[in-house]
Amino acid sequence: SAVISQKPSRDICQRGTSLTIQCQVDSQVTMMFWYRQQPGQSLTLIATANQGSEATYESGFVIDKFPISRPNLTFSTLTVSNMSPEDSSIYLCSVELAGGGTQYFGPGTRLLVL
Amino acid sequence: QKEVEQNSGPLSVPEGAIASLNCTYSDRGSQSFFWYRQYSGKSPELIMFIYSNGDKEDGRFTAQLNKASQYVSLLIRDSQPSDSATYLCAVNMGGSARQLTFGSGTQLTVLP
Repeated sequence: SAVISQKPSRDICQRGTSLTIQCQVDSQVTMMFWYRQQPGQSLTLIATANQGSEATYESGFVIDKFPISRPNLTFSTLTVSNMSPEDSSIYLCSVELAGGGTQYFGPGTRLLVL
Repeated sequence: QKEVEQNSGPLSVPEGAIASLNCTYSDRGSQSFFWYRQYSGKSPELIMFIYSNGDKEDGRFTAQLNKASQYVSLLIRDSQPSDSATYLCAVNMGGSARQLTFGSGTQLTVLP
């Protein structure tokens, strides 16, 4: 497996503001993903973070709301823009290691929007 | 709509018993199947994966896959209170996509 860190671990934000979440892995990975887990719910994929190109978004998620960057093989950011209370959730990054088919999750970022 | 369904539970078993968790999926082309354990307030932790029909054992955990029936299960033998968690079934639908589709999870409680 790999050591995956996320920053911040939690935050409380005001509506209308934006928050950028960072995901760092200690080894090179082939794939990086961003998921959302709303309270009491399962995981929903937001997008696949592609290195050096635009992220691939799932239905219901758009780049203007959730811009994603992945400048290299070990780092990605997710921004939650113009936040509303409905964005209160846990945001998780996951990685697929080179040579493997399994995904490992970071510790998550707990976001509360007031 | 490609779906993954799990018994929502909650499921309670006594300590030492076998816990059986079930998952069905809609896409016949699905290739990879995963079980994650999620403790309250924590992120999902991978505990098992299975790619081929049949059983795969790892310690007290056994994953079972039946592609013809589009069914995957997780058995936990000699259940312990520390196994109390939500268990998430995840499926890779195959093709060029590598992302996972998750079920809603089954909450398991092991009673001492």
